[in-house]
Amino acid sequence: GQNIDQPTEMTATEGAIVQINCTYQTSGFNGLFWYQQHAGEAPTFLSYNVLDGLEEKGRFSSFLSRSKGYSYLLLKELQMKDSASYLCAVRGADSWGKLQFGAGTQVVVTP
Amino acid sequence: DARVTQTPRHKVTEMGQEVTMRCQPILGHNTVFWYRQTMMQGLELLAYFRNRAPLDDSGMPKDRFSAEMPDATLATLKIQPSEPRDSAVYFCASGSSTGGLHTGELFFGEGSRLTVL
Repeated sequence: GQNIDQPTEMTATEGAIVQINCTYQTSGFNGLFWYQQHAGEAPTFLSYNVLDGLEEKGRFSSFLSRSKGYSYLLLKELQMKDSASYLCAVRGADSWGKLQFGAGTQVVVTP
Repeated sequence: DARVTQTPRHKVTEMGQEVTMRCQPILGHNTVFWYRQTMMQGLELLAYFRNRAPLDDSGMPKDRFSAEMPDATLATLKIQPSEPRDSAVYFCASGSSTGGLHTGELFFGEGSRLTVL
């Protein structure tokens, strides 16, 4: 089975940086994903890590340490539109493509 | 542009009624997933198909839920009989598994919001 933990909520100011941590325990590992979900909408793909290190995509970066079972999503230059839930998801080694999601971190961006 | 299409978007029904939700995956995708999302449980995987074959439905209550993929362009999730605890948003997602290491990101539909009274 898989256990994925992330904080419930984080608040930050517009223009600031926020780091969302995710820890996981899995019976196998074949990639870690971050998704963004605005209220009332579908989750949308943000980033993917399968090897250790940092992946950068514009204002968003994601880091993975497989040995520590740890990832973080870094949001820079926060904008009001970044207020959303951020979901950490792990793909285990047992089923190709299946993603197990964490409960999500609600990020609130204030003016 | 290519997207996953789900119907209905909203459904209100009474306890005991049958509910059928439909999903059209992105053309060319060979994996289809049904997830259920509630405030309490988050996103839970209900069922999973690859090349139309069911691979994993361990997350689905078998006595009342059934998932099928009659063809490559249609996946269905049926609840019979429905109960108030089934009230949730049901998401369909599709992806592509082409062998080897791949990103395998999932593309989600807009969801079907089900309310069982």
